[in-house]
Amino acid sequence: QSALTQPASVSGSPGQSITISCTGTSSDVGGYNYVSWYQQHPGKAPKLMIYEVSNRPSGVSNRFSGSKSGNTASLTISGLQAEDEADYYCSSYTSSSPWVFGGGTKLTVL
Amino acid sequence: QLQLQESGPGLVKPSETLSLTCTVSGGSISSSSYYWGWIRQPPGKGLEWIGSIYYSGSTYYNPSLKSRVTISVDTSKNQFSLKLSSVTAADTAVYYCARTEPTMIVRDWGQGTLVTVSS
Repeated sequence: QSALTQPASVSGSPGQSITISCTGTSSDVGGYNYVSWYQQHPGKAPKLMIYEVSNRPSGVSNRFSGSKSGNTASLTISGLQAEDEADYYCSSYTSSSPWVFGGGTKLTVL
Repeated sequence: QLQLQESGPGLVKPSETLSLTCTVSGGSISSSSYYWGWIRQPPGKGLEWIGSIYYSGSTYYNPSLKSRVTISVDTSKNQFSLKLSSVTAADTAVYYCARTEPTMIVRDWGQGTLVTVSS
């Protein structure tokens, strides 16, 4: 199955807001509210940041938020901090697979 | 606190079978609420779901790997395992085991183990 499409990189300055997009199809992102977002620091296992499009697990900062419009999901990080610099991956339930990840986005905090 | 720990050879020869085991502690692998899965990440690349298993033995595999993958569960040992046959250098990756919710949410990950395919 094809991976979900994410920008390779995004950047922002401390305090700013950034948004990472995750584009799929009606068979995955657009068809189900089962989009998750993961943060991964170098050499570490991924960490769940958002699930079911817009829900935040306990312990995750409210600076992280998720949304979806049509076949595109988005992760927004507000009030950027140096510790947010990491790779971010979206994932979605799919009708065919049943799970697919995005290609990942490297966030640089300038 | 649930913990997952991958174990297995760090070096596998091309054409051979990669075998990994995930030992679960702090929780029962027989829980009806979860699936248990394997996810891999080639060096410098993104995440790829390999497959998942339910405690009853029902399995779901990535279609692109399905012909080479077998995932099994041993409830008596609270473990589940991955076998990937006919490996090539493209299978070199960090392999993670994880506890997965039915909607593919992963809250719990193992630390990951690097498996290199090389002669």
